[in-house]
Amino acid sequence: KAGVTQTPRYLIKTRGQQVTLSCSPISGHRSVSWYQQTPGQGLQFLFEYFSETQRNKGNFPGRFSGRQFSNSRSEMNVSTLELGDSALYLCASSLGTGGANVLTFGAGSRLTVL
Amino acid sequence: GESVGLHLPTLSVQEGDNSIINCAYSNSASDYFIWYKQESGKGPQFIIDIRSNMDKRQGQRVTVLLNKTVKHLSLQIAATQPGDSAVYFCAENPPASKLTFGTGTRLQVTL
Repeated sequence: KAGVTQTPRYLIKTRGQQVTLSCSPISGHRSVSWYQQTPGQGLQFLFEYFSETQRNKGNFPGRFSGRQFSNSRSEMNVSTLELGDSALYLCASSLGTGGANVLTFGAGSRLTVL
Repeated sequence: GESVGLHLPTLSVQEGDNSIINCAYSNSASDYFIWYKQESGKGPQFIIDIRSNMDKRQGQRVTVLLNKTVKHLSLQIAATQPGDSAVYFCAENPPASKLTFGTGTRLQVTL
């Protein structure tokens, strides 16, 4: 079956712009989580959605937001981009939410902010 | 490829030898643990998991050991191959909370 699909794979933006990243989970998976990966901070949890509801949120400013649609697809948005937002944004899906649910990751969206 | 960590601890192992990658976790309430492998340009890939009621679990060429007393996880890879070269992350899952990742270890397999 198809894995987690993230689009776009690469994008370049300038400071002050906004960006929307998309994630299509594995068919049947209802939970989608987003992580930011940078060389300095590693994998940092952004948020988790399950059945269109945000279940958990990491310690990121309000410029970072997300949503989930009825088909479990998810988007995340970053507004007023800063240089420090340059990172690999990873989406992961799982069958359910909470512990003991293996996350399956997509290949990520590489964002560069100039 | 994309760099996932410029200053990660690195373990260099000769092909055919066994590798042991260690991880200290932080939350004594964590009851589920996972090891992920991340190759350049790819997202993390599930390797093996273990619940807190176990202290050892084996997969194909991999073994995870859990020591709850000292909050320590290790991943053992038998007969390491060039394809095992990657960054390895441990992750812990406290009850009713999110999966939290360690900083990662880069495994380099030399021929």
